[in-house]
Amino acid sequence: DAGVIQSPRHEVTEMGQEVTLRCKPISGHNSLFWYRQTMMRGLELLIYFNNNVPIDDSGMPEDRFSAKMPNASFSTLKIQPSEPRDSAVYFCASSSRGNGELFFGEGSRLTVL
Amino acid sequence: AQSVTQPDIHITVSEGASLELRCNYSYGATPYLFWYVQSPGQGLQLLLKYFSGDTLVQGIKGFEAEFKRSQSSFNLRKPSVHWSDAAEYFCAVGALGNTPLVFGKGTRLSVIA
Repeated sequence: DAGVIQSPRHEVTEMGQEVTLRCKPISGHNSLFWYRQTMMRGLELLIYFNNNVPIDDSGMPEDRFSAKMPNASFSTLKIQPSEPRDSAVYFCASSSRGNGELFFGEGSRLTVL
Repeated sequence: AQSVTQPDIHITVSEGASLELRCNYSYGATPYLFWYVQSPGQGLQLLLKYFSGDTLVQGIKGFEAEFKRSQSSFNLRKPSVHWSDAAEYFCAVGALGNTPLVFGKGTRLSVIA
């Protein structure tokens, strides 16, 4: 079975540009999570969805960040405009077992110059 | 509020030596506990999990962890470390239902010959 698929794996952009990160969860999973990983703050939850509905977006740092899940097999995380402090690895994870076990993608490494 | 503390930022062990990585959690209800491993440039892979029952749980790659409710701990152990175990290790706590995990800051393991 395919795991969680994220794209792009690496993104280098300039400050002020729009960035879109994409995620395809494991088929049949009904929960999707976006995490951000930095050296200073570790793994932080940004937002999560159950059955395509956003449940908690309190971790989204600013209005510059937005996330959507238009269907069960696709989600996006958008940053507009991007800033250097947004540089991080962004992980998508999915779950279905009701026991908290998350399956992670390989992450999207974002560098904002 | 849920929280996870991994007191050791970086640990170095010799190949063949035993390993123990510490994890303490704060959680208001019965916790679901996890250990994940992250190799450089990769996503997080589940090593093992504890939901209930036997407090000593076995995982992949020869790892085990013991849940001690009285100490709010879930320490990870391995009797003999291999060079390929060098990675970042994350402890996490969650709850029943498709809810997010809260992660510790991680412990980086280096293995020397």
